[in-house]
Amino acid sequence: DAKTTQPTSMDCAEGRAANLPCNHSTISGNEYVYWYRQIHSQGPQYIIHGLKNNETNEMASLIITEDRKSSTLILPHATLRDTAVYYCIVRGSGGGADGLTFGKGTHLIIQP
Amino acid sequence: KAGVTQTPRYLIKTRGQQVTLSCSPISGHRSVSWYQQTPGQGLQFLFEYFSETQRNKGNFPGRFSGRQFSNSRSEMNVSTLELGDSALYLCASSYGLAGSYEQYFGPGTRLTVT
Repeated sequence: DAKTTQPTSMDCAEGRAANLPCNHSTISGNEYVYWYRQIHSQGPQYIIHGLKNNETNEMASLIITEDRKSSTLILPHATLRDTAVYYCIVRGSGGGADGLTFGKGTHLIIQP
Repeated sequence: KAGVTQTPRYLIKTRGQQVTLSCSPISGHRSVSWYQQTPGQGLQFLFEYFSETQRNKGNFPGRFSGRQFSNSRSEMNVSTLELGDSALYLCASSYGLAGSYEQYFGPGTRLTVT
């Protein structure tokens, strides 16, 4: 699975859009971009995933660049409950032998 | 639909003992994966079970084992506990093999080894 790079931490004001970047320059053609988040002491929560088209669901939007080397997760109206560590994971269809590989992620802090 | 459940939520054991953790996946999900989370190593993959068979395995010693039952419920066992086994153990279920489907995590079992 390709390696990802995310900022260590970010702040965002409550009510504003939170834009979390992820670089995955070595992504290959059949690899998907997944986003999960983990609120302190809870299990990770699936947010969204995509291959090359932009995706949107009730939680967030995922924007993937045309060359697929980076992506941005957008939380349109951040609330205090969105404070969490956000993980960007690249995973091939059919997966690998090592499960999901979680890096350090981005600690997003929503400020009141 | 009920989420992934794990029991017990908290556990304290002594070095050398063994422990069994349980995970009930979301109804209809056939894959269960187990992860260990520690402050130093982060989230690390232990193994995945699908249709009662271990399909993938991470880099953990043989003291860590698991199984899956016909109703997709899974158990994880750790024998001869060591202090370093203190961690949050998470299970995640998915409709099919985890490589092809999103995973849904349970709340975890917090294991403390003294």
